[in-house]
Amino acid sequence: GAVVSQHPSRVICKSGTSVKIECRSLDFQATTMFWYRQFPKQSLMLMATSNEGSKATYEQGVEKDKFLINHASLTLSTLTVTSAHPEDSSFYICSARLREMTLRETQYFGPGTRLLVL
Amino acid sequence: GQNIDQPTEMTATEGAIVQINCTYQTSGFNGLFWYQQHAGEAPTFLSYNVLDGLEEKGRFSSFLSRSKGYSYLLLKELQMKDSASYLCAVRGRGNDYKLSFGAGTTVTVRA
Repeated sequence: GAVVSQHPSRVICKSGTSVKIECRSLDFQATTMFWYRQFPKQSLMLMATSNEGSKATYEQGVEKDKFLINHASLTLSTLTVTSAHPEDSSFYICSARLREMTLRETQYFGPGTRLLVL
Repeated sequence: GQNIDQPTEMTATEGAIVQINCTYQTSGFNGLFWYQQHAGEAPTFLSYNVLDGLEEKGRFSSFLSRSKGYSYLLLKELQMKDSASYLCAVRGRGNDYKLSFGAGTTVTVRA
């Protein structure tokens, strides 16, 4: 099946710094990438939808100036957490939708990035 | 908005059967998905239902009743490796392919 990678898999940073997370579709072109956040023992919460070459669409309550998303190509989307604070510590997961994908397998998920802000 | 409910935890014995229920109330409906997620890993796709009825795939089956806003995932012949969180997700109406997830059901398989 399709493969989506994320980098880094784990990052620890100091409060106030910015962290960039990359999401790549390795063997297919992704028209759309989704960014989720998951807190311990909770479900995935969609943060934003990213389409190649256009601005990301953010879900209600997600600060677009704090979570910067860039979808520069059909295989790469990045999420930058700016001025990170301890409450931003979470598991960030991206997913990608193929250019021509049936409804049945709508999204392939990356392995996730665990962010810890001290 | 979407409201998706599933039990928090379930425990079963190796070799047994477990049924995970999911109820949803959504503003639109365009398919229901089940994902498996092991701790610290990304979700993996298990099943998809858009029409009423049962979809069987090996040891896993998924059922949907759109009129009742109800689905279940049936895991048969449980194995220890099936211990994981199982997420119910609904795709709403529209072409954006966004999924809304339930909180997940943690299944623990005991020997």
